[in-house]
Amino acid sequence: TQLLEQSPQFLSIQEGENLTVYCNSSSVFSSLQWYRQEPGEGPVLLVTVVTGGEVKKLKRLTFQFGDARKDSSLHITAAQPGDTGLYLCAGGASRGGNKLTFGTGTQLKVEL
Amino acid sequence: KAGVTQTPRYLIKTRGQQVTLSCSPISGHRSVSWYQQTPGQGLQFLFEYFSETQRNKGNFPGRFSGRQFSNSRSEMNVSTLELGDSALYLCASSLGGGYSPLHFGNGTRLTVT
Repeated sequence: TQLLEQSPQFLSIQEGENLTVYCNSSSVFSSLQWYRQEPGEGPVLLVTVVTGGEVKKLKRLTFQFGDARKDSSLHITAAQPGDTGLYLCAGGASRGGNKLTFGTGTQLKVEL
Repeated sequence: KAGVTQTPRYLIKTRGQQVTLSCSPISGHRSVSWYQQTPGQGLQFLFEYFSETQRNKGNFPGRFSGRQFSNSRSEMNVSTLELGDSALYLCASSLGGGYSPLHFGNGTRLTVT
């Protein structure tokens, strides 16, 4: 069974601070996706990374896929209250199909 | 472009009953996946349908079943409900090829009493 552990589980920070969320597994994934979910809504895809060592930037968010494709990180620079939400990583085991293994989640709260 | 629509939003059922949840994907999307989200287990994959065929299946008992219609709409059925089936059930659609992104609906909140 493939497992994805995220850390930290909870994070409460002040506006303007930087943070990093980690997503680790002992399994290799063909792709790694990051989602953000807000209360009462479904997860929304932020990014997909597919190549070991790949780094993608989305405004203040930086995503990295580990060289061995077993881990990933999400770094947020100068966090804003609008970044508040549940961050989920999800690993894809093969190119075809949408059977994703989701991480345990990181609940982020950014306060003014 | 309309997003993924799940109905109903909320359901309350009694243990032993059965329930059917519905999902209408984004127009043109041929893949529909179902996930269960609970506080203890997080998001877990149930199954995926592509062009009316089950393409992938998660590790859930046979009480959980699904189907997809020719218009790509999908239904999920849970029979003989148990208290532990209380969860948010999420549906996601995609074009279905390669790393095509998943678009999630807002879910159906099922409570089993």
